[in-house]
Amino acid sequence: DTGVSQDPRHKITKRGQNVTFRCDPISEHNRLYWYRQTLGQGPEFLTYFQNEAQLEKSRLLSDRFSAERPKGSFSTLEIQRTEQGDSAMYLCASSVGREQFFGPGTRLTVL
Amino acid sequence: KQEVTQIPAALSVPEGENLVLNCSFTDSAIYNLQWFRQDPGKGLTSLLLIQSSQREQTSGRLNASLDKSSGRSTLYIAASQPGDSATYLCAVRRVDSNYQLIWGAGTKLIIKP
Repeated sequence: DTGVSQDPRHKITKRGQNVTFRCDPISEHNRLYWYRQTLGQGPEFLTYFQNEAQLEKSRLLSDRFSAERPKGSFSTLEIQRTEQGDSAMYLCASSVGREQFFGPGTRLTVL
Repeated sequence: KQEVTQIPAALSVPEGENLVLNCSFTDSAIYNLQWFRQDPGKGLTSLLLIQSSQREQTSGRLNASLDKSSGRSTLYIAASQPGDSATYLCAVRRVDSNYQLIWGAGTKLIIKP
């Protein structure tokens, strides 16, 4: 399968714990995006990478959130000291041109 | 600030009907507009992308139109099938951003057999 992959697909954690998600983009896609989606809403932009450089960050990305793309390939999104309000679907997308291709998402539940 | 609205929030129609989903945006300074499909608990599948200079795009039974001056796009689905049941979202890319998409909340479509 050559699509965008995300791991894990589901994560249940207790409030205050740290979690890390991984996204593997389509091979040779130099652009990578993270979005967050809550139930019944459209996705909200979190951050964008071009190769290994993080070029844009939303104000939604508080200091508890950090994203990396160390070698310009896969990316990680870490949430520290999780809160119940962090419960959402975290979506990753990649592109090389105008169209973004999305992964299946990681559903986070914070108890 | 760009805002994207989709009406209706939900729609249920019998199989075989033609239908139209609506998307409106407040700022006409867009680079392009995309329509996506999302199945329950799943990621997003891109259906059609319309550049700001284009009026419409077609793919199979789907046709998307764009009227940038009035801030509207429609997704037309011909001869609907139960497999078309999903949530349909539209998203606009701002001209002043590095590919950031601004999304509507989606229209949940149910096609009854």
